Amino acid sequence: AQSVTQLGSHVSVSEGALVLLRCNYSSSVPPYLFWYVQYPNQGLQLLLKYTSAATLVKGINGFEAEFKKSETSFHLTKPSAHMSDAAEYFCAVSGSNSGGYQKVTFGTGTKLQVIP
Amino acid sequence: DVKVTQSSRYLVKRTGEKVFLECVQDMDHENMFWYRQDPGLGLRLIYFSYDVKMKEKGDIPEGYSVSREKKERFSLILESASTNQTSMYLCVVRGGGYTGELFFGEGSRLTVL
Repeated sequence: AQSVTQLGSHVSVSEGALVLLRCNYSSSVPPYLFWYVQYPNQGLQLLLKYTSAATLVKGINGFEAEFKKSETSFHLTKPSAHMSDAAEYFCAVSGSNSGGYQKVTFGTGTKLQVIP
Repeated sequence: DVKVTQSSRYLVKRTGEKVFLECVQDMDHENMFWYRQDPGLGLRLIYFSYDVKMKEKGDIPEGYSVSREKKERFSLILESASTNQTSMYLCVVRGGGYTGELFFGEGSRLTVL
């Protein structure tokens, strides 16, 4: 069964500091991986996705993520945090269930706090 | 982009009541999902459907059922609501293919008293 683990339910960084949000996955087949962001009182929106074309994926708002198969990881980074980055971030994996049907599994989320 | 419309934004029901949550998409995509979102637990998959009249259990299907009689409509049913089903329910539609972008409804916040 596929799963996603996000280490750290809350992460605090200073404005201008590096943002690193961790995501590890398990999947029996090569996965498709996503990061979504949810701003307060809003719906989820796509930040970036990995579809096997390139291991380093660039997304919106200066975020990027690197797929590392050997570590089964897909960590999200941003070189310099901005106050507007304060939100909850979800890692997700798209894979097949036992019946071969595609489903999407989300992690439990990481709330990012940016300190002025 | 796909527009995903959930029929009710806020509902308050009593324990034991039957609850219908409806979701409609404005495109012709096959894959539709129902999740519930709870603080600290993220989004958990309840049921999904890959075609009309076809459904698959997700990770937490107990206490729920679904119906998909038309391609654009996917309904979540709580046969007998319980307080532990108080949650935010999200309908999600996947665009084409396995890597297709997910499109989210605005959510239905259900409170069961």
